[in-house]
Amino acid sequence: KAGVTQTPRYLIKTRGQQVTLSCSPISGHRSVSWYQQTPGQGLQFLFEYFSETQRNKGNFPGRFSGRQFSNSRSEMNVSTLELGDSALYLCASSLEGVYENIQYFGAGTRLSVL
Amino acid sequence: AQSVTQLDSQVPVFEEAPVELRCNYSSSVSVYLFWYVQYPNQGLQLLLKYLSGSTLVESINGFEAEFNKSQTSFHLRKPSVHISDTAEYFCAVSAISGGYNKLIFGAGTRLAVHP
Repeated sequence: KAGVTQTPRYLIKTRGQQVTLSCSPISGHRSVSWYQQTPGQGLQFLFEYFSETQRNKGNFPGRFSGRQFSNSRSEMNVSTLELGDSALYLCASSLEGVYENIQYFGAGTRLSVL
Repeated sequence: AQSVTQLDSQVPVFEEAPVELRCNYSSSVSVYLFWYVQYPNQGLQLLLKYLSGSTLVESINGFEAEFNKSQTSFHLRKPSVHISDTAEYFCAVSAISGGYNKLIFGAGTRLAVHP
């Protein structure tokens, strides 16, 4: 079974631009979560989608948004990029169920904002 | 709300020595507990988890962790480490009810195994 796939692996953008990151979950997984990892703030939850609906959201400004498609693939978008948005963005997928909500992570997209 | 504290930011150890990485959490609700490992330039890999049942959980590569509810701890141990265990280790919690797969992570512990 293929794991969680994130594309692209690396991105370089300049301040003010916008960016879209993609995540394909493990086959059969309907929940997709996004996290930001930085040296200063560590790993922080961005949002979680299940069946195309955002169920949970972290403490990030509205410039960070996401969506999920009917095939469970997810995208996150960051508009008006700032230098502080430079980070490793990780996507995780999981099954749904009381004993199944274990998250499996992709390799991440490393975003550099210049 | 939940929070996770990993008490050591770095742990240096010699190969074949035992190691303990400490994790304490705070939560007003019941939680699931996890340890993830991150190797350089990679994502997070699940090392082990506590969902219910026996408070001692083990991984296939020799790590174990014990859930202590009274002390709200979930320390990770290995009796004999290898060079290949060098990585960053993250402790995380997720609320059992209404958590919607939101993981709260500690700041991480960098384990450096020296020959």
